[in-house]
Amino acid sequence: KNQVEQSPQSLIILEGKNCTLQCNYTVSPFSNLRWYKQDTGRGPFSLTIMTFSENTKSNGRYTATLDADTKQSSLHITASQLSDSASYICVVSPLSGNTPLVFGKGTRLSVIA
Amino acid sequence: DAGVIQSPRHEVTEMGQEVTLRCKPISGHDYLFWYRQTMMRGLELLIYFNNNVPIDDSGMPEDRFSAKMPNASFSTLKIQPSEPRDSAVYFCASSLAQISGDTQYFGPGTRLTVL
Repeated sequence: KNQVEQSPQSLIILEGKNCTLQCNYTVSPFSNLRWYKQDTGRGPFSLTIMTFSENTKSNGRYTATLDADTKQSSLHITASQLSDSASYICVVSPLSGNTPLVFGKGTRLSVIA
Repeated sequence: DAGVIQSPRHEVTEMGQEVTLRCKPISGHDYLFWYRQTMMRGLELLIYFNNNVPIDDSGMPEDRFSAKMPNASFSTLKIQPSEPRDSAVYFCASSLAQISGDTQYFGPGTRLTVL
């Protein structure tokens, strides 16, 4: 069964610190992996997207990595800001174009001053 | 473009009442998705349409749920009769192309509370 597991469930860090969120998946084969950010009270939006052949992708202070051999991805946030407080959702796209996306349950990040 | 538009943003209703959620996708997008999000289960796909045609409704929990897309710019998700366990945030999303190959753009969601 296609699954995406994320850890930790929640995380609290001080402003300015770095953090790393983890994503393990069983979806195989897959075409791409995305990290979505979901602010409180809003819909998710895409932060990064990596194909199965890519190892890393950056978007400002966000850097996603992908290890297709171990089926793991991580999202690293550098120099965190209060506005980074949100849920971060790992989403894997099965290779079959007509198979729905597989969502993780997300990691809830709180950045405090 | 204003993005995906959903209404209402919040809905509070009593058990047994009919609830209708509305969505306007991004113009030109061929795919429209309805999701439900809860703390316990995360995001779950309920149904999706391609060019206004329902393709996969296997995620619709029960016959109480129904969805329509009468034209390319409008879709509804209806729950009749509603139950307290339907309380969740319902998202509509649209994408330009393939269900899994293209980025999905989410609306702001409708928070439904069934008392």
